[in-house]
Amino acid sequence: DIVMTQSPDSLAVSLGERATINCKSSQSLLYSSNNKNYLAWYQQKSGQPPKLLIHWASTRESGVPDRFSGSGSGTDFTLTISSLQAEDVAVYYCQQYLNVPRTFGQGTKLEIK
Amino acid sequence: EVQLVESGGGFVQPGGSLKLSCAASGFTFSGAAIHWVRQVSGKGLEWVGRVRSTADNFAPAYGASVKGRFTISRDDSKNTAYLQMNSLRTEDTAIYYCSRTPTYDTPSDYWGQGTLVTVSS
Repeated sequence: DIVMTQSPDSLAVSLGERATINCKSSQSLLYSSNNKNYLAWYQQKSGQPPKLLIHWASTRESGVPDRFSGSGSGTDFTLTISSLQAEDVAVYYCQQYLNVPRTFGQGTKLEIK
Repeated sequence: EVQLVESGGGFVQPGGSLKLSCAASGFTFSGAAIHWVRQVSGKGLEWVGRVRSTADNFAPAYGASVKGRFTISRDDSKNTAYLQMNSLRTEDTAIYYCSRTPTYDTPSDYWGQGTLVTVSS
């Protein structure tokens, strides 16, 4: 199974500042046949199901604010929130969808400093 | 509007069985894969399994912790997917979410609100 490891486990950032969450996979998520990274980012607010933010490591879902961006390739990925807003308080998860089981990272709790 | 609604959760004793349903609307159900993900209270997300579309030959797959005990199926005529859970353990207590992927190699883009399963004596 592919192991997904996020860092940090929790993060406190001031409003308007940048938040960066890292995700590392135990094997490459880059599929050579289509040159795509099978990595997604989800946001989960308290009491709600996860919401898909980014897929293919860097493609933002429709309606997701452009302050959210994803980057990385192979085994190392980053979710960046360029200017933290109060509504961004949540737990963020990365997930690989290259293989089954579709494993998740352990989650990163993002709070306001 | 895409909607997924889970039902069937509840209280069950260890060793018992429960069948969850995931009713879908607002999209072509037969063309989508359906995944089940669970979440223990206050903990992270755990992928339980999936069933692909009929065109992709269903191809159910399961996480290690549920393999051999849980079965995922679908009835395209009812736009519903199912999670049959047997030999339940206390550690299966969680909120169970269903989600869809529009194609077999994309992530889950729509999720239900979840249904709570409690396994306890």
